[in-house]
Amino acid sequence: AQSVTQPDIHITVSEGASLELRCNYSYGATPYLFWYVQSPGQGLQLLLKYFSGDTLVQGIKGFEAEFKRSQSSFNLRKPSVHWSDAAEYFCAVGAQERGGADGLTFGKGTHLIIQP
Amino acid sequence: ETGVTQSPTHLIKTRGQQVTLRCSSQSGHNTVSWYQQALGQGPQFIFQYYREEENGRGNFPPRFSGLQFPNYSSELNVNALELDDSALYLCASSPTSGSRLEQYFGPGTRLTVT
Repeated sequence: AQSVTQPDIHITVSEGASLELRCNYSYGATPYLFWYVQSPGQGLQLLLKYFSGDTLVQGIKGFEAEFKRSQSSFNLRKPSVHWSDAAEYFCAVGAQERGGADGLTFGKGTHLIIQP
Repeated sequence: ETGVTQSPTHLIKTRGQQVTLRCSSQSGHNTVSWYQQALGQGPQFIFQYYREEENGRGNFPPRFSGLQFPNYSSELNVNALELDDSALYLCASSPTSGSRLEQYFGPGTRLTVT
């Protein structure tokens, strides 16, 4: 069974500073990896996904993530954060075996706080 | 293009009652997955519907059941509600052409069980 660890429960970043949110996964084969963002009381918005190929993937809102198989990591980055980036961020992993019928496994999330 | 929609937005039920939550998938999507998100936690997979059949299930008891209709919309039914069922219930749909793991979420239904 797959699992996801997001080591940082809370992260505080100054507006305009760079951001990196950590995600480590556990899965035997090549995982499908995702980052989602959730604003308070809202659903989840897909930021980016990795299925195969280039290990650096670009997403929406200026986010990117890098898949590192040797470290079992899929960290999310942004060069300069905006106050509107304050939200909860979730990393998720899925197994393509059985056609994805086992759904996504999510981490517990990282709460991002932006300081003015 | 309309995204995934869910109804109702909020719901309050009493322990032991039954509840039905509804989800309309995004245009061009044929797979629906349901998740439960407890406060302060990540979403947990309940089950997935494809071609009107349940084709995958997480670690949830049988009192959680569902349906998918020919127009790909879906329902989640929970019987014999327990206090621990209080959560945000999220529905996600996946594109017909592509991986069922590529999931786009609706805004959720907040269920409170008293």
